[in-house]
Amino acid sequence: DAKTTQPNSMESNEEEPVHLPCNHSTISGTDYIHWYRQLPSQGPEYVIHGLTSNVNNRMASLAIAEDRKSSTLILHRATLRDAAVYYCILSDYNTDKLIFGTGTRLQVFP
Amino acid sequence: DAGVIQSPRHEVTEMGQEVTLRCKPISGHDYLFWYRQTMMRGLELLIYFNNNVPIDDSGMPEDRFSAKMPNASFSTLKIQPSEPRDSAVYFCASSGLSPSGARSTDTQYFGPGTRLTVL
Repeated sequence: DAKTTQPNSMESNEEEPVHLPCNHSTISGTDYIHWYRQLPSQGPEYVIHGLTSNVNNRMASLAIAEDRKSSTLILHRATLRDAAVYYCILSDYNTDKLIFGTGTRLQVFP
Repeated sequence: DAGVIQSPRHEVTEMGQEVTLRCKPISGHDYLFWYRQTMMRGLELLIYFNNNVPIDDSGMPEDRFSAKMPNASFSTLKIQPSEPRDSAVYFCASSGLSPSGARSTDTQYFGPGTRLTVL
């Protein structure tokens, strides 16, 4: 399984944009890039995923580098509720498996 | 839909006892996943099923662990005998086809987890 590298922690102030980076230099052509987050004392929840093009949904945006070796999850206006551990995960279309790494712990200050 | 349902939410047992964790996936989902989360090892995939059939159990730590899915709406993870090092939060997740019929196993929906403590 291809590996991802994320910073251990990041901080943000409320209502500011947050850019969470992820490096995946060994990504293969069939690997999708997924982002999940885990709020305190809850199970992980899906945030967004993409293959090559940038993606937007109601929760966040995903910016994928042209060479696909890195990506950035963008929270446009952080709220206190966005404080969580954010996981960047690669999965091959054919395996159905998600292999979670250690993620980035995001702290949001009022 | 109520989402993925897990029971019990908390379980405290003594070493050597049998523990059974239960999961009800989202109706219509054909994939079911069992994960374990600890501070030391993070979130680990234990086993997953497709259409009630185990597809990959390479993450199951040892023979003390077993999982079954007798039908599309129910799965169990059993630990027998339990040991203190099995203490963790166990999550169940499900995924399946989107309403358009497209494969949508990218999105896994997680349950609230079962916090297991083995004394």
